[in-house]
Amino acid sequence: SQTIHQWPATLVQPVGSPLSLECTVEGTSNPNLYWYRQAAGRGLQLLFYSVGIGQISSEVPQNLSASRPQDRQFILSSKKLLLSDSGFYLCAWSVSLGSNQPQHFGDGTRLSIL
Amino acid sequence: GQQLNQSPQSMFIQEGEDVSMNCTSSSIFNTWLWYKQDPGEGPVLLIALYKAGELTSNGRLTAQFGITRKDSFLNISASIPSDVGIYFCAGLQGAQKLVFGQGTRLTINP
Repeated sequence: SQTIHQWPATLVQPVGSPLSLECTVEGTSNPNLYWYRQAAGRGLQLLFYSVGIGQISSEVPQNLSASRPQDRQFILSSKKLLLSDSGFYLCAWSVSLGSNQPQHFGDGTRLSIL
Repeated sequence: GQQLNQSPQSMFIQEGEDVSMNCTSSSIFNTWLWYKQDPGEGPVLLIALYKAGELTSNGRLTAQFGITRKDSFLNISASIPSDVGIYFCAGLQGAQKLVFGQGTRLTINP
């Protein structure tokens, strides 16, 4: 069966510091991969998605970037964090073949910026 | 960005009661999904709906894809304490773009 792992689970970083969050998927090949941010008590906002290695689509302009160095690895980064980057970050995957495939989420990383 | 209108925002019910929540949109979606999120965890897929008018059940959960493809509802029968959490509807446009509702927070009094 397929599994998705995100780490770290929680992270506290000072303003201006860099960021690297990692997500890996097991049990499937060539998945679509996604990064979402969730503000407290609210729905999820899509940040980036990827349909293949090195292919990244950005949904909203922001202080963050994403990379996909390997088929089942998706990384969310920032060079200098802002206070507004605080939130709950979720990685997700879906089957790439066909359309209308549901997305499956990891357990998230809670990021606090001080 | 585009959002789905999900209601109610919160519900406080007694254990054993039935629950109903719904989502509406001004746009057509090809797929409707319902997720449940527990505190500190990622959303877990409950039900996926692929055809207009489709009615699908998963245990005590029942969801329907509206005929107009612009709405969906989720019902939970005979609620139990582990049903507590936040429920999200989501509409899929194309292959990748999932649009979420604002969530319904369910609280159950024993």
